[in-house]
Amino acid sequence: EPEVTQTPSHQVTQMGQEVILRCVPISNHLYFYWYRQILGQKVEFLVSFYNNEISEKSEIFDDQFSVERPDGSNFTLKIRSTKLEDSAMYFCASGQGHQETQYFGPGTRLLVL
Amino acid sequence: SQQGEEDPQALSIQEGENATMNCSYKTSINNLQWYRQNSGRGLVHLILIRSNEREKHSGRLRVTLDTSKKSSSLLITASRAADTASYFCATDADTGRRALTFGSGTRLQVQP
Repeated sequence: EPEVTQTPSHQVTQMGQEVILRCVPISNHLYFYWYRQILGQKVEFLVSFYNNEISEKSEIFDDQFSVERPDGSNFTLKIRSTKLEDSAMYFCASGQGHQETQYFGPGTRLLVL
Repeated sequence: SQQGEEDPQALSIQEGENATMNCSYKTSINNLQWYRQNSGRGLVHLILIRSNEREKHSGRLRVTLDTSKKSSSLLITASRAADTASYFCATDADTGRRALTFGSGTRLQVQP
């Protein structure tokens, strides 16, 4: 069964460093998402991406964040200058259509020191 | 309560018993999705129920939706130790947004 994959599974970085989190969505999906979950808190929406552009973003997704689909398979989240409070589990998700099931990847656990 | 709030927050049962988790939400929705998360791991999709549906089944899972009460329930029958996880409801609001709004989850512990 096709699934969303994410790399790396864990990333440790120093405050102020740039990180890129990578995702390979399910191949025939058209909608892509990033969410995050700070330890012990709810899963929070960051951004959705469709037709090669951001379709929606939350207030968390400020200028430090960017997303890209550099080729036909990868979907990346970049944090330009990480802060301590960016430490969280970051989930990528994809879906076939609007208002359809969103399938989540296993997550990347980011720790900012 | 916020959009997509589950109760109880924690539930401990014996293997073989049924587990019922509830979710309440505030806005109109297109659909509601239930996910499972094992400790520190990814989110596994369980069931999607649309706003015009009242009940759906998948194996040992039964989900109901009452849009008049803005609530949903997830029933796991004949629970197993492997069902131990956190369960989240996530709403797809009828506002044109694509974001799912997650609740805080119910932590289910199934004792062998």
